[in-house]
Amino acid sequence: DIQMTQSPSSLSASVGDRVTITCRASQGISNSLAWYQQKPGKAPKLLLYAASRLESGVPSRFSGSGSGTDYTLTISSLQPEDFATYYCQQYYSTPRTFGGGTKVEIK
Amino acid sequence: QVQLQESGPGLVKPSQTLSLTCTVSGGSISSGGYYWSWIRQHPGKGLEWIGYIYYSGSTYYNPSLKSRVTISVDTSKNQFSLKLSSVTAADTAVYYCARDLLVPSAFDIWGQGTMVTVSS
Repeated sequence: DIQMTQSPSSLSASVGDRVTITCRASQGISNSLAWYQQKPGKAPKLLLYAASRLESGVPSRFSGSGSGTDYTLTISSLQPEDFATYYCQQYYSTPRTFGGGTKVEIK
Repeated sequence: QVQLQESGPGLVKPSQTLSLTCTVSGGSISSGGYYWSWIRQHPGKGLEWIGYIYYSGSTYYNPSLKSRVTISVDTSKNQFSLKLSSVTAADTAVYYCARDLLVPSAFDIWGQGTMVTVSS
């Protein structure tokens, strides 16, 4: 199985801050990476796929980058509705695996 | 638009079989082009992919659960189902069904999730 490691596991930030979350795969995944946002009591929501492609309807303040084993999710200017937990997921191989999550909290 | 809804018992006794159904509305499973997945989330924890099925019936299961999992599809009812046998407290989780885009294989539509507790 490909292990996905996210960092940090949590962070505190203020509205308007630039936030970066990192996801590292245990082997190269050729940009086969998705990012999700999950709010308490809700299902995850797809934000990006193919490492950097924005899902329809997702605000442009969300962006993704990376290659090989290392990927990042960036929120350019944090908004109140962005406080949530974020997960990366690889689909390079089965079983599909997720990172452990990064909780973004209000400072 | 396509919506998914999980249904099934919220309480299952240890050693019994957990059975859940996902009903797809607003689109047809038989149209192809998607995998239909089950994913679970232990309380306060991360996400674990259980497996997926294609409308044709072909499946792939997470090896960590493969010996206990069966996913099936009923195209006439536009539903797919999960059976997990010999459950223990470790199977207590929120269970989600989700649509897998296939290419790319990201989960773009999710059900709301259903909490299943394993307890006597």
